[in-house]
Amino acid sequence: GESVGLHLPTLSVQEGDNSIINCAYSNSASDYFIWYKQESGKGPQFIIDIRSNMDKRQGQRVTVLLNKTVKHLSLQIAATQPGDSAVYFCAEIGSGGYQKVTFGTGTKLQVIP
Amino acid sequence: DAGVTQSPTHLIKTRGQQVTLRCSPKSGHDTVSWYQQALGQGPQFIFQYYEEEERQRGNFPDRFSGHQFPNYSSELNVNALLLGDSALYLCASSRPYMTYNEQFFGPGTRLTVL
Repeated sequence: GESVGLHLPTLSVQEGDNSIINCAYSNSASDYFIWYKQESGKGPQFIIDIRSNMDKRQGQRVTVLLNKTVKHLSLQIAATQPGDSAVYFCAEIGSGGYQKVTFGTGTKLQVIP
Repeated sequence: DAGVTQSPTHLIKTRGQQVTLRCSPKSGHDTVSWYQQALGQGPQFIFQYYEEEERQRGNFPDRFSGHQFPNYSSELNVNALLLGDSALYLCASSRPYMTYNEQFFGPGTRLTVL
């Protein structure tokens, strides 16, 4: 399939290492944040979310950290696997609801076997 | 459950033409959102449909219009196509008024305008 990551910043990680993907968001009123994974030829896939009243949330092999002071999100992937290779987007949802998702600039993760 | 489906997969049009893209939401979902994703960028919100009405709209011109049918499926129409409309068009479905946001995305329709 066609790549969606031709002009995106790229993070190259050795298989088995931990990955950290960073994201700066713009709207201090955003109430809710999501990390999406997008593989080539596919639509974005929900990974993990976090509310603005939290600073950390853990899932299976993934952790999201939220720093509201500097409007920064990070996604940590433990023991990175080849199947983690994809473009990762952070997204924010404002307090106005209606599920409008505002995506940030993505990061392409390349896992080196 | 087939998830969100979109048709066609790929489409080639010329400037000035009109295009219609289609989306069927995931079973149990009645809200459909459309996004445009230019190459190398994140998806940009176009609009959202619920109960056959446009509920929210992003910063897109009136050339972009949509429709939702009683069975919750949706169409995106783009008139007077421009070269800059070339992009991947994503449809996402969800249930309204959830306590958290979880939209399921389709694979997209790749539109190329020549």
